[in-house]
Amino acid sequence: QAVVTQEPSLTVSPGGTVTLTCDSSTGVVTSGHYPYWIQQKPGQAPRTLIYDTNNKQSWAPARFSGSLLGGKAALTLSGAQPEDEAVYYCLLTDSGPWVFGGGTKLTVL
Amino acid sequence: EVQLVESGGGLIQPGGSLRLACVGSGFSVSGNYMSWVRQAPGKGLEWVSIIHGRGDTYYADSVKGRFSISRDNAKNTVFLQMNSLRVEDTAVYYCVFFYWGQGTLVTVSS
Repeated sequence: QAVVTQEPSLTVSPGGTVTLTCDSSTGVVTSGHYPYWIQQKPGQAPRTLIYDTNNKQSWAPARFSGSLLGGKAALTLSGAQPEDEAVYYCLLTDSGPWVFGGGTKLTVL
Repeated sequence: EVQLVESGGGLIQPGGSLRLACVGSGFSVSGNYMSWVRQAPGKGLEWVSIIHGRGDTYYADSVKGRFSISRDNAKNTVFLQMNSLRVEDTAVYYCVFFYWGQGTLVTVSS
């Protein structure tokens, strides 16, 4: 089964821009992996932020966007806010098993 | 509004069995994928199992042969039957369909 790799931690300044990436050990991440991005804040259940590469859930702020970048899935946050501090998980799916990345702890400081 | 409500968690001894349930509202479980994901204390998310709309099922290697996923379309409910439970199965178990439930805690301990 594939291993999905994310940056363990990143820091962004308030109002700044940061890109989180999601890499697969099996090769290039494509739209056929239907990449998800999931946000989890301390003490809360996870919630889906983006699905199928770049489709936002209705609650997701416009400052978040998903894409494919250099063979990886990517989550870009433009104009970071303090409330965006959380752990972000990448999830790669296809018609079968799912695989989560280890998560990126994003600090807004 | 889509809602997912899990139940069935609790304290169980190693080797025991539990059956988790996830009741969906605001959508139909029968035509969609439904997945179980778990999170051990202080750890990341781990995918456990999925049942697709057409009925095919998949399991993580760590639970294959011990866990079984099923659904009751009439009750709009998905189940996770967990047998031969191990200490390392201790986690909050979430039901997922784009949306996430609040989770149910399973503690395996003697």
